[in-house]
Amino acid sequence: AQSVTQLDSQVPVFEEAPVELRCNYSSSVSVYLFWYVQYPNQGLQLLLKYLSGSTLVKGINGFEAEFNKSQTSFHLRKPSVHISDTAEYFCAVTSRMTTDSWGKLQFGAGTQVVVTP
Amino acid sequence: NAGVTQTPKFRVLKTGQSMTLLCAQDMNHEYMYWYRQDPGMGLRLIHYSVGEGTTAKGEVPDGYNVSRLKKQNFLLGLESAAPSQTSVYFCASSYRQGFMNTEAFFGQGTRLTVV
Repeated sequence: AQSVTQLDSQVPVFEEAPVELRCNYSSSVSVYLFWYVQYPNQGLQLLLKYLSGSTLVKGINGFEAEFNKSQTSFHLRKPSVHISDTAEYFCAVTSRMTTDSWGKLQFGAGTQVVVTP
Repeated sequence: NAGVTQTPKFRVLKTGQSMTLLCAQDMNHEYMYWYRQDPGMGLRLIHYSVGEGTTAKGEVPDGYNVSRLKKQNFLLGLESAAPSQTSVYFCASSYRQGFMNTEAFFGQGTRLTVV
């Protein structure tokens, strides 16, 4: 079975400080990995995705994530946050379709990032 | 390109009333989903569809029904609304690439209150 765990429910951080959001997944087959951001009262917006190739993925707004297959992780980082990065961040995974699985898109529970001056 | 459009954006229902939420996507995506989002619980999948004319249950399907008569539309119905269905509902769609499901595109959400 496939699952996604976001290890922190809330991450407080000061403006211009770095931030790391942790995501671990479990799957017995090939995966695609995603990070989404949700600003207050809005829908989810894709930040970045890992499909194949380089394990370091760069996304919008200065975010990047590294796929680590041996540790089954896909942690999100930003070297210097802004007040406008205050939002909820979701890690998600899909897996290769098989005869028993349609490749379900699975979300983590989310990490709330609060940036203060 | 509108992407994924949900209607309505807000709705207040009385307990026992019924309603239908409409989701439309113009990206020719095969897969469509309905999620609900509640504080502290992330996104929970209600129902999904892997193609026109097909639907399946997600994690929390009770009290909801869906239909996908056209590839671009995915309807979510509440037959008899209950206060526990007060939530923000999101529709999403995604496309297939080989044997893989890819990233989802989300609508702006529908805020539903059942009183």
